Amino acid sequence: DAMVIQNPRYQVTQFGKPVTLSCSQTLNHNVMYWYQQKSSQAPKLLFHYYDKDFNNEADTPDNFQSRRPNTSFCFLDIRSPGLGDAAMYLCATSRERGPEKLFFGSGTQLSVL
Amino acid sequence: AQKITQTQPGMFVQEKEAVTLDCTYDTSDPSYGLFWYKQPSSGEMIFLIYQGSYDQQNATEGRYSLNFQKARKSANLVISASQLGDSAMYFCAMRGPTDSWGKLQFGAGTQVVVTP
Repeated sequence: DAMVIQNPRYQVTQFGKPVTLSCSQTLNHNVMYWYQQKSSQAPKLLFHYYDKDFNNEADTPDNFQSRRPNTSFCFLDIRSPGLGDAAMYLCATSRERGPEKLFFGSGTQLSVL
Repeated sequence: AQKITQTQPGMFVQEKEAVTLDCTYDTSDPSYGLFWYKQPSSGEMIFLIYQGSYDQQNATEGRYSLNFQKARKSANLVISASQLGDSAMYFCAMRGPTDSWGKLQFGAGTQVVVTP
């Protein structure tokens, strides 16, 4: 059974048109993460939530926002997607911020036309 | 600053052979965790194995083992008896208290292709 679920699997949007990616988890984990992974590169952390506490990475563009309305759901909003934002977006969770593994979803592949 | 280095961009390995994937890291923190993830072409990141900096023994999980050499700051992954389904990208990653354990930092990855 999937524990971290990302929808949709593939998302196509137009240049400049806002898009929202969603992530849900059934693990009741405190921490949720959004990673961006461009082709043939390592995943790069955009931000994470520790419970309701939002933690933005210093180099995450302002174009990227996130919402976590409850423990189970987390959303990634891209306000004005550019061609450079085309990537795989991975959602992950962990129980705590300690030395614990992250559980990843299957990812959403975003294309920008 | 923490840093993870994987120097092997790609490797070919024959089915049933063992393969070692290299990973070195750099951190000034005494407490940290090291991870290996597998990413097949489908895109999902699959957890393989974990090693804590204070663990006395090398971690093992089935066909996966981690050769942890703390003094050399290396955490190589060994896959025994390779299978065709092992073909994937493999990432070494680290978490440490510098970032309040929030960030899992990845190396560049090693692409493994298992041949019959």
